[in-house]
Amino acid sequence: DVKVTQSSRYLVKRTGEKVFLECVQDMDHENMFWYRQDPGLGLRLIYFSYDVKMKEKGDIPEGYSVSREKKERFSLILESASTNQTSMYLCASRLGPSYGYTFGSGTRLTVV
Amino acid sequence: QKEVEQNSGPLSVPEGAIASLNCTYSDRGSQSFFWYRQYSGKSPELIMFIYSNGDKEDGRFTAQLNKASQYVSLLIRDSQPSDSATYLCAVNGGRAGGSYIPTFGRGTSLIVHP
Repeated sequence: DVKVTQSSRYLVKRTGEKVFLECVQDMDHENMFWYRQDPGLGLRLIYFSYDVKMKEKGDIPEGYSVSREKKERFSLILESASTNQTSMYLCASRLGPSYGYTFGSGTRLTVV
Repeated sequence: QKEVEQNSGPLSVPEGAIASLNCTYSDRGSQSFFWYRQYSGKSPELIMFIYSNGDKEDGRFTAQLNKASQYVSLLIRDSQPSDSATYLCAVNGGRAGGSYIPTFGRGTSLIVHP
């Protein structure tokens, strides 16, 4: 069965810390994505990557960066965590542009 | 700005009934349409996709697409309490660079009561 694995289910970090969220997929998918999901706001795209070493900004990239050095791994970096980055972070991958997503189980990040 | 609209609900149906979830979209060039189910506290799970006008059936689920009217719907037959979840509609449009990125609706909450 295809799988997207996010390294942490729950994280608590302090304001100003650098935070790394890791995502690994075992499906040889080209495209990978990072979203955050907040009540009332739905899913918002932070960054995506359609190939190794490629990255594109989504709708809300400010305060975030990403890295994709290998096809299977897509990392989200919060350069200096702030309380307004408290959220559920969802990683997703897909085979190609016409396919649906497989989501990871999510990381609930709390910044205090 | 591409938009995907869903009624937030909750939509409440009795067990065994047909649940009908609707979604409208603004981008006439949209090509691919998806339905995800999200249980409370869990991540979304793809349950249906449809590319062509008409109906597509998979078990108790039927996706319906009408591109002329710009709506897509999901019917759940013989609804079960285990179908209680939020259902997200996602529509693939175009984006600069040719990376087709879906626009998600905010979801409809479905409650199936015994």
